[in-house]
Amino acid sequence: KAGVTQTPRYLIKTRGQQVTLSCSPISGHRSVSWYQQTPGQGLQFLFEYFSETQRNKGNFPGRFSGRQFSNSRSEMNVSTLELGDSALYLCASSPELREHDEQFFGPGTRLTVL
Amino acid sequence: KQEVTQIPAALSVPEGENLVLNCSFTDSAIYNLQWFRQDPGKGLTSLLLIQSSQREQTSGRLNASLDKSSGRSTLYIAASQPGDSATYLCAVKDTGRRALTFGSGTRLQVQP
Repeated sequence: KAGVTQTPRYLIKTRGQQVTLSCSPISGHRSVSWYQQTPGQGLQFLFEYFSETQRNKGNFPGRFSGRQFSNSRSEMNVSTLELGDSALYLCASSPELREHDEQFFGPGTRLTVL
Repeated sequence: KQEVTQIPAALSVPEGENLVLNCSFTDSAIYNLQWFRQDPGKGLTSLLLIQSSQREQTSGRLNASLDKSSGRSTLYIAASQPGDSATYLCAVKDTGRRALTFGSGTRLQVQP
C-alpha cells in the first residue's frame, strides 16, 4: 500500500506570492491533516479535513487555507507569502475522523520564501 | 493548553547501549500518544501508538510506556544501532484540541 504522497517536494517562492501544496492520503484514508514544522516553533497543527469539510483548525492566520476533494486528496494554499512561512509542510492521513486513529505522515514539502 | 516536553534534547551513545527517551505532557485528558522518528529533512515515521487505556506498546527493539495520570511516556530502545540515529518526537492528541501536540524532539546519535 502506497504511503502519503506530497507534491511538490521543494518550492522556492518570493514574498507576496501565493503557493499551493498537494497531499494524497493513503488509499482508503478519508481524514487529512496539515502541520507546519519550523526550527523555532517546531511542529504546529494547521487544519484537518474530512469528507471535504474542515473539521478542526489550528491557530494560523487566514492566509493559510485548505480544501479536500471527493477522492480525499487535499490541498493547502498560502497567500501573500512572508519570510516566516519558510518551513516543512507535512500532511498526515488517518482512516476516519476517530479520535483514537493513528496518523501517518508524508515526506513533506519544503517551502523556501525569499 | 497542552504542552509536551522531551528530555534530553540531544543524546549521543555508543552502539549496543540501551537507552530511554522521556516525554511529559501537561494535560492528562488525552486520546493517545504517538512516538515518531524523523530523519534529517524527511517526514515523520510512526513508531508506536499508545491509546489512553493502554500502559505500553512494543515493536521489535522499541518499547513505549504511558503513565497518563502523571503525564509521562518513555521510549526504550534496546541494543541501539547506528541506523537508529534520528530525531525522536512524541505527540499527544488531547480531548480538547483533538489534534496532535508535539514535543521538540530528542536528537539521537548512535556511534559505531
